[in-house]
Amino acid sequence: DTGVSQDPRHKITKRGQNVTFRCDPISEHNRLYWYRQTLGQGPEFLTYFQNEAQLEKSRLLSDRFSAERPKGSFSTLEIQRTEQGDSAMYLCASSTTGTVYFGPGTRLLVL
Amino acid sequence: KQEVTQIPAALSVPEGENLVLNCSFTDSAIYNLQWFRQDPGKGLTSLLLIQSSQREQTSGRLNASLDKSSGRSTLYIAASQPGDSATYLCAFFTGNQFYFGTGTSLTVIP
Repeated sequence: DTGVSQDPRHKITKRGQNVTFRCDPISEHNRLYWYRQTLGQGPEFLTYFQNEAQLEKSRLLSDRFSAERPKGSFSTLEIQRTEQGDSAMYLCASSTTGTVYFGPGTRLLVL
Repeated sequence: KQEVTQIPAALSVPEGENLVLNCSFTDSAIYNLQWFRQDPGKGLTSLLLIQSSQREQTSGRLNASLDKSSGRSTLYIAASQPGDSATYLCAFFTGNQFYFGTGTSLTVIP
């Protein structure tokens, strides 16, 4: 399968714990995006990388959130001191200049 | 900020009907528009991409149009099938990010 992959697919954690998600984009795609989606809503932009450079961050991305793409390939999204409001589906997507392809998402539940 | 509205929020049609989903946006400075399909609990699947210089794109039973001057896009689905049941999202790309609508939940009744 040469699509966008995300790991883990599901994560249950207790409030206050740290979690890290991984995204592997399609190999030749230089652009990588993180989005968050809550039930009944469209995805909300979190951050965008072009190669290894993080070019844009949403104000939704508080200090507890950090994203990296160290070698311009895979990316990680870390949430520190998780809160119940962080419960959502976290979606990763990649593209070149055209069609954007989304991964299956990581569903996070904070208890 | 780009605001994206999708109407209707939900739609239920009998199998075989043709249908139109609507998407409107407030900022005409877009690079492209994409329509996506999302099945419950799943990620998004890209259906059609329209560049800002284009007016429409077609793929099989799907046709998407873009009218930047009026701030509207439509997704036309011909001869709907039960397998088309899903949430359909439109999204506008402004250079660094996509702005999504809240989607139209489509149910096609056999």
